[in-house]
Amino acid sequence: QSVLTQPPSASGTPGQRVTISCSGNNSNIGRNTVNWYQQFPGTAPKLVIYSNNQRPSGVPARISGSKSGTAASLAISALQSDDDADYYCATWDNHINGRVFGGGTTLTVL
Amino acid sequence: QVQLRESGPGLVTPSGTLSLTCAVSGSPVSRGYYWAWIRQGPKKGLEWLGSIYGSGSTHYNPSLKNRIFMSVDVSKSQFSLNLTSVTAADTALYFCAREHVVLGPTSTFHLDFWGQGALVTVSS
Repeated sequence: QSVLTQPPSASGTPGQRVTISCSGNNSNIGRNTVNWYQQFPGTAPKLVIYSNNQRPSGVPARISGSKSGTAASLAISALQSDDDADYYCATWDNHINGRVFGGGTTLTVL
Repeated sequence: QVQLRESGPGLVTPSGTLSLTCAVSGSPVSRGYYWAWIRQGPKKGLEWLGSIYGSGSTHYNPSLKNRIFMSVDVSKSQFSLNLTSVTAADTALYFCAREHVVLGPTSTFHLDFWGQGALVTVSS
């Protein structure tokens, strides 16, 4: 059972906009910043959003992040087939004084 | 270009010790960053195991209780993971990663460079 709650799956068609939610509490998301990772099967995760809404170099602007209260969201617009992947949110948790991940969301591009 | 590469036995016997090393190139391990271990069980999500700074200061996941130990060797530009008393539940793909950490009233971390992962199976 992950400390951060994500929907297990999400889907969209090419060109659509999809959002993935990440719900926490006041000891984690409510107090600290959130980052997001994209992972393809059998490969290492890739950072796509850090500090709630910052994109690392090379990540397209159609991928964005936001945070409000104890929840965060990842939005992918102009959906493409190569967005088909697993997405994980992560943040610091003051209760355990460490890092926590969400359970992950499998995004399927139909 | 920052690169990380995990190495270690792919098979560990139950109740034994899992030992992995992460070799780092392109970034000093001595300062500026934490260095983390994350694992992913079969068809499961990501689990943070622990992080170490170049000075040797560590943060461990409390769920691992007293089974985890991490160390860093600045001279060899590498850091290591030891996990004792392993069971089948410790079978996973183990990743090492570079970590930016800022601690304060608002704490932030993110993992920007990752190794390719090392599969470790616990079985007799």
